[in-house]
Amino acid sequence: DSGVTQTPKHLITATGQRVTLRCSPRSGDLSVYWYQQSLDQGLQFLIQYYNGEERAKGNILERFSAQQFPDLHSELNLSSLELGDSALYFCASSVGASLREETQYFGPGTRLLVL
Amino acid sequence: AQRVTQPEKLLSVFKGAPVELKCNYSYSGSPELFWYVQYSRQRLQLLLRHISRESIKGFTADLNKGETSFHLKKPFAQEEDSAMYYCALASGTYKYIFGTGTRLKVLA
Repeated sequence: DSGVTQTPKHLITATGQRVTLRCSPRSGDLSVYWYQQSLDQGLQFLIQYYNGEERAKGNILERFSAQQFPDLHSELNLSSLELGDSALYFCASSVGASLREETQYFGPGTRLLVL
Repeated sequence: AQRVTQPEKLLSVFKGAPVELKCNYSYSGSPELFWYVQYSRQRLQLLLRHISRESIKGFTADLNKGETSFHLKKPFAQEEDSAMYYCALASGTYKYIFGTGTRLKVLA
């Protein structure tokens, strides 16, 4: 599959714990975007990385952090987890950096359940 | 505040009927607007964008700055159009805002 991949597919953990979600962009894409989709909030843009650098920041909590590695894969770290962090986390990628001009290609998502 | 509103959670139409999925936005600058679609068991994907003024799968969307709307339209709905549709706005260079989505059901 040459599309965006995300691991794991499902994650169940407890409040207070820390998890790491992983995303591999499409071949050739330099931008990675992270989104959170919860029932009451819809799809929320969290953060964008372009070629290893943070490019844009949305509604990302201080308990959450992300990074993009030299091989362009990205990780989203969620710490001190709360029940309200239960959501579907999507990763997307695009060739360039412009939010206005680029087509984003989405991964299948990671479903996180915090108990 | 910058916001994208999709007032309908669910829209049901009969096959062959016209479809209009509503999207209103609140943004003080010059917006770039998009429609995304998610078919059952598939990934979220771009359907069309305002800037390219294209028609994809028979769908069109016109930006109305006076009414701050970007409604998605199709003259004759098909069963395969059944999906979740999201309106999104690129806010300047640094933010991307999605609406809460409208589920379209096309009935046979």
